[in-house]
Order: sequence, then structure tokens, then C-alpha cells
Amino acid sequence: QSVLTQPPSASGTPGQRVTISCSGSSFNIGGNSVNWYQQVPGTAPKLLIYSNDQRPSGVPERLSGSKSGTSASLAISGLQSEDEADYFCAAWDDSLNGYVFGTGTKVTVL
Amino acid sequence: EVQLVESGGGLVQRGGSLRLSCAASGFTFSNYWMHWVRQAPGKGLLWVSRINSDGRTTTYAASVKGRFTISRDNAKTTLFMQMNSLRVEDTAVYYCAREGTLIDHWGQGTLVTVSS
Repeated sequence: QSVLTQPPSASGTPGQRVTISCSGSSFNIGGNSVNWYQQVPGTAPKLLIYSNDQRPSGVPERLSGSKSGTSASLAISGLQSEDEADYFCAAWDDSLNGYVFGTGTKVTVL
Repeated sequence: EVQLVESGGGLVQRGGSLRLSCAASGFTFSNYWMHWVRQAPGKGLLWVSRINSDGRTTTYAASVKGRFTISRDNAKTTLFMQMNSLRVEDTAVYYCAREGTLIDHWGQGTLVTVSS
């Protein structure tokens, strides 16, 4: 039912860089801003990136977002054990007239 | 500090009703659009509904339209979701969320379980 497609999993060793992709369409990512959220299982999502590439206060600089056309990406540099979580992208969809989320990516620190 | 605290979840039979509440604090509630988002056990996030700041404009996901009603009381800084004709597939944790730049703050969620 998710409109935005993400890889189901990503992994890396401590210190490595991990990138998560989010693919959409002209109705959502192509025409609107993208947010990224982190969710530790059993807890509420937390905003990591807004407006494609902006970090809220308190989010470390090693997390970064980008957008190109109908796709977006989240990069985590200097991977740490605390980064183990699920990550979701999201955007408004003008065709559905609703907010759409990505399928989610589980990040594992090896 | 922005706080969103949901309540009202529980176990209900198929076809039944529940009313969820979300008490907001730490920001000027009446200035913000608000959302409900749900997450079925072990699944991803699914947007449910949105209401504008004065409560006059509402939007729903197709899967709940006609069964769920979002509303708000700005004087009491509380968001509501009336859920009728509940289905087993409505079983999920329901999150209240604030729209800043899109959704920027989330509550801790309340679990709704619909039994068959």
C-alpha cells in the first residue's frame, strides 16, 4: 500500500557510510518536500530530515538528505550502534491528496 | 517542549466504535494542522487523516473515509478521531502527529485491536 519504495534493509560496520534510497513519482517526491524519520521498534517515529535536506536541532551532521527528481536519499556517515533502527521517507501526494510513507528500511550495524 | 499524548485505544469487536483523543501541549495548538497515522503490528506507517488549524477542512485516506471522523477542540488543545464500523484490518498503533514542515512531532501512540 506504500507509494514510496525503499530497500528493505541496509547494513554496515561502525564508522561506515550507509545510504537509503526512496523512490516515488511526480505526484509526491517530484513535486513536494521529503521528510525522513527514524523509528526504534516499540517507539514513536522521530524526525531526522525535513524539506529534503534540513536537519532539526539535535540531529547530528553525519545524517544528511538529498533529493533529485522523483527520488530522495538519506545518508548516515560514521555509522554507530545507536543508528540501528527503521527509517522511513515521507511526502505529500497531490494525486492521493494525502501523506505517503516509504516502505521502510531496517538498518543493521554489523 | 512539544507533547502529544494519545488515549482511548483498546480492544473492540469488529463493527464496533472507538474514540481516540490526543492531548497537546508545549505549542500553540490552534496554529497547527494535525494528523493521525497508524502502524499495524510489524508493518510500516500509514497516513489516516488530517485536519486544518480551525477544524473546517479534513482529509482522509481512502481506506477509512466514511468510517472515521477527525475533529479538534482548540480550546482544550485536543485532537480526536471517531472510529466507527471498525474492521480487523484497522488493528494498529494510532499516532497523533503535528504538521510543521510536513509531520514534525509524534505522540507515543495508542493501540487499537479489533477482534473478529
